[in-house]
Amino acid sequence: GQSLEQPSEVTAVEGAIVQINCTYQTSGFYGLSWYQQHDGGAPTFLSYNALDGLEETGRFSSFLSRSDSYGYLLLQELQMKDSASYFCAVKASGGSYIPTFGRGTSLIVHP
Amino acid sequence: NAGVTQTPKFQVLKTGQSMTLQCAQDMNHNSMYWYRQDPGMGLRLIYYSASEGTTDKGEVPNGYNVSRLNKREFSLRLESAAPSQTSVYFCASSDWGGSTDTQYFGPGTRLTVL
Repeated sequence: GQSLEQPSEVTAVEGAIVQINCTYQTSGFYGLSWYQQHDGGAPTFLSYNALDGLEETGRFSSFLSRSDSYGYLLLQELQMKDSASYFCAVKASGGSYIPTFGRGTSLIVHP
Repeated sequence: NAGVTQTPKFQVLKTGQSMTLQCAQDMNHNSMYWYRQDPGMGLRLIYYSASEGTTDKGEVPNGYNVSRLNKREFSLRLESAAPSQTSVYFCASSDWGGSTDTQYFGPGTRLTVL
């Protein structure tokens, strides 16, 4: 089977930088995605990494190390609206290439 | 372009009642999915349809059935609802095999079974 681990909660202040880690165990790794979900809303796609390295999209960046089975989402210049849950999801042949989601990290941004 | 739509948005059932959750997408995606989300559990896959005419079980299929009516529509049926099926249900679609396989989610159906 597949498993993902991410912290349940992270807190930070407005304007700061925060990193949300995700470690995974799977067979036939294909890619790692990140999704954001505000309370009462639907998950929305943020980023995807299939190769090692950093992908940058505005204030958000995502990193992957395939050899370490590890990735992280980096949020810079935090804003109050970034308070949300963040999910990593792994895609692998061991899971029929269907994304398997972690349990999510609740990010709380304080003023 | 509405993306992924789901009906109803809210539903309350009594134990043993049946209902069908409807989902439709207008992005011409091949693949569609049904997830349930419970507090602290993330998103768990119930069923998916990789392409029109195929459906497969996910992680938590017991108590559910699905129908891929056509390329646009994918419905989820609860034949005899149980309190354990109280959850938020999300439908999603994606372009299977695409470079990122981004999943697009509907707004969700909040189901309570009494």
